[in-house]
Amino acid sequence: KNQVEQSPQSLIILEGKNCTLQCNYTVSPFSNLRWYKQDTGRGPVSLTIMTFSENTKSNGRYTATLDADTKQSSLHITASQLSDSASYICVVSDRGSTLGRLYFGRGTQLTVWP
Amino acid sequence: DTAVSQTPKYLVTQMGNDKSIKCEQNLGHDTMYWYKQDSKKFLKIMFSYNNKELIINETVPNRFSPKSPDKAHLNLHINSLELGDSAVYFCASSQVIAGGKTQYFGPGTRLLVL
Repeated sequence: KNQVEQSPQSLIILEGKNCTLQCNYTVSPFSNLRWYKQDTGRGPVSLTIMTFSENTKSNGRYTATLDADTKQSSLHITASQLSDSASYICVVSDRGSTLGRLYFGRGTQLTVWP
Repeated sequence: DTAVSQTPKYLVTQMGNDKSIKCEQNLGHDTMYWYKQDSKKFLKIMFSYNNKELIINETVPNRFSPKSPDKAHLNLHINSLELGDSAVYFCASSQVIAGGKTQYFGPGTRLLVL
């Protein structure tokens, strides 16, 4: 069964600290993995997208890694800011059809305290 | 110059009523989606349309009927609303490209069924 599991479910850190969010998936075949950020009361916004051949991709203070062999991804946030408080969602796409199917994790709720 | 817009933003209605949510995108994308996000913040895809044709139809009660008058619009009509339909509904769009598809989400419609 194709699944995407994220951990931790929630995380509280102090402003300025680093943190890492995890995403494990069983989706097969695999096309790409995407991290979204969802601020409270808003729709998700794409942070990074990685295909099978990519190991790491950065977007400012966000760095995503992908290990396609172990089917794991992480999102590392450096020097956290209050505005990083949000839900971070991992999404995996398969190659099952021309358009692919999307499998969503349940998200990690990050709270950054001053 | 909003990319993906939804109306209304909030919708409060009685059980048994019929309601519609509208979605429009001005990105020129050929694929549009409807998602339901429950109280635990889990995003679940409901429908996907590509060039006005239904591509994905997850296990959704037939009380939900999407309608795509053109590529830029995907409306969601819900008949005989039930308490369990209360959720946030997100519309999204993407351009299908090789290697992946970046989805752009609307701001969401918060539906409360009393």
